[in-house]
Amino acid sequence: QVQLVESGGGVVQPGRSLSLSCAASGLRFNKKGMHWVRQVPGKGLEWVAFISSDASSQFYVDSVKGRFSISRDNSKSTLFLQMNILRPEDTAIYFCGVDGDWGRLDYWGRGTLVTVSS
Amino acid sequence: EIVLTQSPATLSLSPGERATLSCRASQSITRKLAWYQQRPGQAPRLLIYDISRRATGISARFSGSGSGTDFTLTISSLEPEDFVVYYCQQGGDWPPLTFGGGTKVEIK
Repeated sequence: QVQLVESGGGVVQPGRSLSLSCAASGLRFNKKGMHWVRQVPGKGLEWVAFISSDASSQFYVDSVKGRFSISRDNSKSTLFLQMNILRPEDTAIYFCGVDGDWGRLDYWGRGTLVTVSS
Repeated sequence: EIVLTQSPATLSLSPGERATLSCRASQSITRKLAWYQQRPGQAPRLLIYDISRRATGISARFSGSGSGTDFTLTISSLEPEDFVVYYCQQGGDWPPLTFGGGTKVEIK
């Protein structure tokens, strides 16, 4: 079965950087687009970024453009999110997800919590 | 950006009752509409995609309908495990992908 395991979350000061990873198994990773979605605990879902299967396309929500970078290593079935110049409003649980088609997320990881606080 | 508005924010029902959840889009999104269920402390799970197609392993008591800008998730007879939060999501025009604010189904 498909498994997605995020890691790399933690507490970081405003203005600093953090890198998240998402290890995938049980799917043909190099054939699937991938997403990051975040959720402030107790609040709704916000899409963050997408990368195509061959990494030729990346899209971002406006609030993270120029600060976050999505990438992937298909040889290791791993997705990444490099987060720079972090702000308190970036505090959230970050989920990775598999694109099923047109942007829907067929599978989700359990998430990793990022807290941006001084 | 397409805005999705879910209503009601909270739905209070009893087990065995029928639940009707609404999702309204700010513009037409063709068939690219999905519904997710999220249990406390867990990741969302895909329930319905393309308005009305059930995802793998999803019970037939969940159904989706609608077109254009108005969509509905129906749970025909609520089971105890159905009293959680539901989100709609669109892919008709992205980026950005957008989600509705969610509907919490609670026990009356």
